[in-house]
Amino acid sequence: GAVVSQHPSWVICKSGTSVKIECRSLDFQATTMFWYRQFPKQSLMLMATSNEGSKATYEQGVEKDKFLINHASLTLSTLTVTSAHPEDSSFYICSARQWSGRDTGELFFGEGSRLTVL
Amino acid sequence: GENVEQHPSTLSVQEGDSAVIKCTYSDSASNYFPWYKQELGKGPQLIIDIRSNVGEKKDQRIAVTLNKTAKHFSLHITETQPEDSAVYFCAASLGAGSARQLTFGSGTQLTVLP
Repeated sequence: GAVVSQHPSWVICKSGTSVKIECRSLDFQATTMFWYRQFPKQSLMLMATSNEGSKATYEQGVEKDKFLINHASLTLSTLTVTSAHPEDSSFYICSARQWSGRDTGELFFGEGSRLTVL
Repeated sequence: GENVEQHPSTLSVQEGDSAVIKCTYSDSASNYFPWYKQELGKGPQLIIDIRSNVGEKKDQRIAVTLNKTAKHFSLHITETQPEDSAVYFCAASLGAGSARQLTFGSGTQLTVLP
């Protein structure tokens, strides 16, 4: 199957700093990527939909100025958590929709990035 | 919007026994139903999916059934092994041709006891 890579896999930062997480589709082009947040023992919560070359679409309740998303190429989307606070500590996961001339609807997920804000 | 409910939240079975996880969805227009396995500290991994034009799909020890009339679908794992222990999520979406994203169930922690 298609491979989606996330980096870093874990990061620890001080409160008030910004953290960038990268999501790459390694062997396919992804016009659409999704960013999720997952708290311990809970399901994935969609944060935003990232479309290549356009602004991201954020879900209700997600602050777009705090969670900056950039999808500058067909293989890379980035999530920047700005002015991070301890409550932003979570597991962030990206996914990408594989496009090969036919949208099958299949999503492939990255390995996730564990953010801990001290 | 779509709402997906998943049961049970936890499930323990003896190695070799079968495990069944059930999900219901609310949007009758949904036509793509994947199942994901998530191991601790990792991202979800697609294990099987089914589309609305079929009622059952099988891949070795894993099978999924879909009842569109009742709007529910189930994951069946036979001959369970300890490595099957993980959190399993069902999901639903409009799938192909749609920009809509997946709606996930709440997850089931499966523990296979040796």
